[in-house]
Amino acid sequence: DSGVTQTPKHLITATGQRVTLRCSPRSGDLSVYWYQQSLDQGLQFLIQYYNGEERAKGNILERFSAQQFPDLHSELNLSSLELGDSALYFCASSRGQLQSTDTQYFGPGTRLTVL
Amino acid sequence: AQSVTQLGSHVSVSEGALVLLRCNYSSSVPPYLFWYVQYPNQGLQLLLKYTSAATLVKGINGFEAEFKKSETSFHLTKPSAHMSDAAEYFCAVSSNTGGFKTIFGAGTRLFVKA
Repeated sequence: DSGVTQTPKHLITATGQRVTLRCSPRSGDLSVYWYQQSLDQGLQFLIQYYNGEERAKGNILERFSAQQFPDLHSELNLSSLELGDSALYFCASSRGQLQSTDTQYFGPGTRLTVL
Repeated sequence: AQSVTQLGSHVSVSEGALVLLRCNYSSSVPPYLFWYVQYPNQGLQLLLKYTSAATLVKGINGFEAEFKKSETSFHLTKPSAHMSDAAEYFCAVSSNTGGFKTIFGAGTRLFVKA
């Protein structure tokens, strides 16, 4: 158990809909990262927040947005969903803000299925 | 720009045999390199990381990797495979410049035969 929690575990929705994925980091960790893992794209970094502020941006679509709240939990919002958005979405957390040296601890993921 | 190439999407070894998973990277700045393991239906777990200190990095579960700048490689090895090593392994590269992104390889699935 990494100490990172994600809810829900599974999510099934329809095209055009909007969903929110939630992540609670390990106690004491200030950074939260979001990743998407799909069969065709592999594992992709989406976005990082550090202590409430956006720190780094990866291949995140404009239809997706994220935020980190004062209690450090984070939410990833996915809107106008398409079939291709079906994937595993992972959250990770770390103590500091450097992806290069900080150890990231991954949550179990949320499996999103868009029908 | 940075990139990672993992050679072989599937590797099969016998229990007790050497495990060798290959990773080559491309980076215009000093890289930081990682190996992660993903067991079925779980998130990723860090095995080891290279952060410009010793070139031979020892990780958990008996794994180690050697950073070879001249070959732009960071191959993962384990002297003797166990059945419990069967999983998917990801090599990743990051840096302190260029937007601070982590780039993952496509992954290598390791099968261990009894």
